[in-house]
Amino acid sequence: GDSVTQMEGPVTLSEEAFLTINCTYTATGYPSLFWYVQYPGEGLQLLLKATKADDKGSNKGFEATYRKETTSFHLEKGSVQVSDSAVYFCALSDRRTNAGKSTFGDGTTLTVKP
Amino acid sequence: NAGVTQTPKFRVLKTGQSMTLLCAQDMNHEYMYWYRQDPGMGLRLIHYSVGEGTTAKGEVPDGYNVSRLKKQNFLLGLESAAPSQTSVYFCASSYYQADQPQHFGDGTRLSIL
Repeated sequence: GDSVTQMEGPVTLSEEAFLTINCTYTATGYPSLFWYVQYPGEGLQLLLKATKADDKGSNKGFEATYRKETTSFHLEKGSVQVSDSAVYFCALSDRRTNAGKSTFGDGTTLTVKP
Repeated sequence: NAGVTQTPKFRVLKTGQSMTLLCAQDMNHEYMYWYRQDPGMGLRLIHYSVGEGTTAKGEVPDGYNVSRLKKQNFLLGLESAAPSQTSVYFCASSYYQADQPQHFGDGTRLSIL
C-alpha cells in the first residue's frame, strides 16, 4: 500500500536558519502530494501542494517540489521565523487506489529559537 | 467562514460511559474523516465516509461507531469509553478529487478516567 516517510524530529533551529524537512513516499498510482502544518492547539491546515511530477508548491516562503524520480517531496524554507514553530505533516492522496483516503507521515516537530 | 466545526472541544468521561462527537462542515464536501492523534503516533484514521449514508472502517475502528445521515454531519460514537481512547480527535472533510486537500477541525480533547 501507499506510505509516507518523514524525517524524524524534533528539529530545532535558530531564527533565519535554512529549513529542510525530508519526505519520501511509496505509491502505486499517481498521487497528489501535500504539506500540512499544525500549530499548538489547532487542527492541521494545508501549507502547500503539488499534483504532478516536477510541480512546485509554495506558500508563506515554504517550497516543495514533486520529484517522481526520487519519490520525494522535501519541504524547504530559506529563513525560518519563531512563528514557524509547529508540527509539519507530509501526505499523499490517490483516490484511484486509496478509496477516498489520504496517507499521512508521522509529523516533524519544528522549534525555532530567537 | 466556519469550515469544519467540532463539538465539544473538551470532554472528560468515566470508563464505561458513552458519548458522541459531532462534526459539521459547510463546504459541501463529499468525503469526511475521523482521526485520533496521540503523542508519537501521528494521525490514525478511525472511520471515514465517501458520501451521505456511507461509512467505512479506517486503521483503528474498534470501539467506535459512526454515522453520516446528512452530508454536512459526521458523528463519532464511543459506546463504552476506555482509558485507551484518551486522545485528541480530529474531523476532516474534502472534495472527492485527489488533488483537493483535507480541511480539519480544531479537535476534541477527550480524557477517559
